[in-house]
Amino acid sequence: DAMVIQNPRYQVTQFGKPVTLSCSQTLNHNVMYWYQQKSSQAPKLLFHYYDKDFNNEADTPDNFQSRRPNTSFCFLDIRSPGLGDAAMYLCATSTKETQYFGPGTRLLVL
Amino acid sequence: KNEVEQSPQNLTAQEGEFITINCSYSVGISALHWLQQHPGGGIVSLFMLSSGKKKHGRLIATINIQEKHSSLHITASHPRDSAVYICAAFMDSNYQLIWGAGTKLIIKP
Repeated sequence: DAMVIQNPRYQVTQFGKPVTLSCSQTLNHNVMYWYQQKSSQAPKLLFHYYDKDFNNEADTPDNFQSRRPNTSFCFLDIRSPGLGDAAMYLCATSTKETQYFGPGTRLLVL
Repeated sequence: KNEVEQSPQNLTAQEGEFITINCSYSVGISALHWLQQHPGGGIVSLFMLSSGKKKHGRLIATINIQEKHSSLHITASHPRDSAVYICAAFMDSNYQLIWGAGTKLIIKP
């Protein structure tokens, strides 16, 4: 059974048109992450939450925002996508023992 | 210098060969993760190690805390093992992973 679910799996948006990516988890984990992964690179952490405590990486562009309305759901909002934001976006949860990743949403910016 | 270094960066082998991927880290860590990513696919956590050795099927992971080194071994490799293998250091002080660059493994039939 899927434990970290991301929707949609593929998202096409236009340059400058806001887009929201969704993540949900059935694990009831306190910690959730959003990563950006570009081709042949390691995932880059954008933000993470410990419960509602939001932690923004210093080099995450202001164009990227996140919301976590409850334990199960987390959203990534890209306010004005640029061509350079085309990437795979991965959501993950964590315990101290392991990490659980969603399948990712591949974002294409036209 | 990256805090988590992997070698080799790329590895091609024949089916059946014994595979070793190495990971060295320079930070104090709570645990070390080995993760697998198939082309175009999501990331799967294979192992979390804080000491010693773990085995799951044909996969074996070891860690030497004093030397700050870990290895991932694959016995009797198979083409379906072809993937990128990533080691990542976990810091439970801030729940963050420090990622290695990954090792792209190709197993030829």
